[in-house]
Amino acid sequence: DAKTTQPNSMESNEEEPVHLPCNHSTISGTDYIHWYRQLPSQGPEYVIHGLTSNVNNRMASLAIAEDRKSSTLILHRATLRDAAVYYCILRRSADSNYQLIWGAGTKLIIKP
Amino acid sequence: NAGVMQNPRHLVRRRGQEARLRCSPMKGHSHVYWYRQLPEEGLKFMVYLQKENIIDESGMPKERFSAEFPKEGPSILRIQQVVRGDSAAYFCASSPRAGYYNEQFFGPGTRLTVL
Repeated sequence: DAKTTQPNSMESNEEEPVHLPCNHSTISGTDYIHWYRQLPSQGPEYVIHGLTSNVNNRMASLAIAEDRKSSTLILHRATLRDAAVYYCILRRSADSNYQLIWGAGTKLIIKP
Repeated sequence: NAGVMQNPRHLVRRRGQEARLRCSPMKGHSHVYWYRQLPEEGLKFMVYLQKENIIDESGMPKERFSAEFPKEGPSILRIQQVVRGDSAAYFCASSPRAGYYNEQFFGPGTRLTVL
């Protein structure tokens, strides 16, 4: 399975933008890039996903490099409630089981 | 629309006992996934089920673990003769359709402690 590499942790100030990087140098042409986050003591929560083009939704934006070997999750204005572990995940369209392959994620710390 | 429900939220078992974890998917969802999470780690896939069928159990330990998703009722993850290494958080997720582009909706998890 294609792997992703993320920093172990990042810190940001409240109400400032946050850019969470993810490297996926072995990504294949049919792999979708998914982001989930997990708040403390909770189940994971879907954030956003994309294939080639940048994507926006109410929670975040996803910027995908032109060669698709990296992507960045952007939280435009972080709040204390955004403190969580953020997981960058590749999902292969050829897989029939549709499981999510999780790495260790990035722990985002928001400073008030 | 209620989210994915899991119960119990916390379960304590002694070594050798059985653990039964239940998952009720979101209304209208017929695809269920089970994941296990050890402390400070990401989730590990265990099994993917549709109603009355196991589609992929490649992540399930070969012994003591089983899963079902009957026509009626919740999905059940069953661990027989639990050992201390089974202590973890177990998460269930559901989706309305299969597909690599579909998001999965997660429950709050069951935290299993084996004494």
